[in-house]
Amino acid sequence: ETGVTQSPTHLIKTRGQQVTLRCSSQSGHNTVSWYQQALGQGPQFIFQYYREEENGRGNFPPRFSGLQFPNYSSELNVNALELDDSALYLCASSRLPGTGTGGYTFGSGTRLTVV
Amino acid sequence: ELKVEQNPLFLSMQEGKNYTIYCNYSTTSDRLYWYRQDPGKSLESLFVLLSNGAVKQEGRLMASLDTKARLSTLHITAAVHDLSATYFCAVAHFGNEKLTFGTGTRLTIIP
Repeated sequence: ETGVTQSPTHLIKTRGQQVTLRCSSQSGHNTVSWYQQALGQGPQFIFQYYREEENGRGNFPPRFSGLQFPNYSSELNVNALELDDSALYLCASSRLPGTGTGGYTFGSGTRLTVV
Repeated sequence: ELKVEQNPLFLSMQEGKNYTIYCNYSTTSDRLYWYRQDPGKSLESLFVLLSNGAVKQEGRLMASLDTKARLSTLHITAAVHDLSATYFCAVAHFGNEKLTFGTGTRLTIIP
């Protein structure tokens, strides 16, 4: 059983640029969520995808967008990067929405630095 | 809006001692999770608590849930250095998969 893999592990971007982060869900999981974790804080929910549709969104502006593909892998896109977007971005997969009894499997994260 | 508060934020304790981390949340939920995070690493799932009165134990860690009080505790027994990490509780929003995390408790075990 493979875990959740994220790429890249580290990334440095310039303010105003665009970035795409990628996530491969754990085998058998069809739901993916993205979280932003600023230094010294708890993760903040960005959005979730189920069956390629957005299934909930946190308090993030529209320049944060996502995709989920038929193989359940996912992308997080951030446009017009700001310095405050510097954070660890975590992807989490689970089996079905609304249950989560098995919990979520988190990837190792992508550390984004905006300069 | 669901709010999750953890205390203490920082905890420094000696090896062999016992201590408890508290997690309070503001609205009804059907699931509560505890995670461990080592510096620069991702989140490791520790416990999933699904019902009132649920108690789960793994090694020196024991978690409990009181849904009426909207309170979960993570109890550490006879702490060892390997338990040094940041611990997060996370509460699922009723009926969906969004997790709201607490602020985290940074635990340091001193030999």
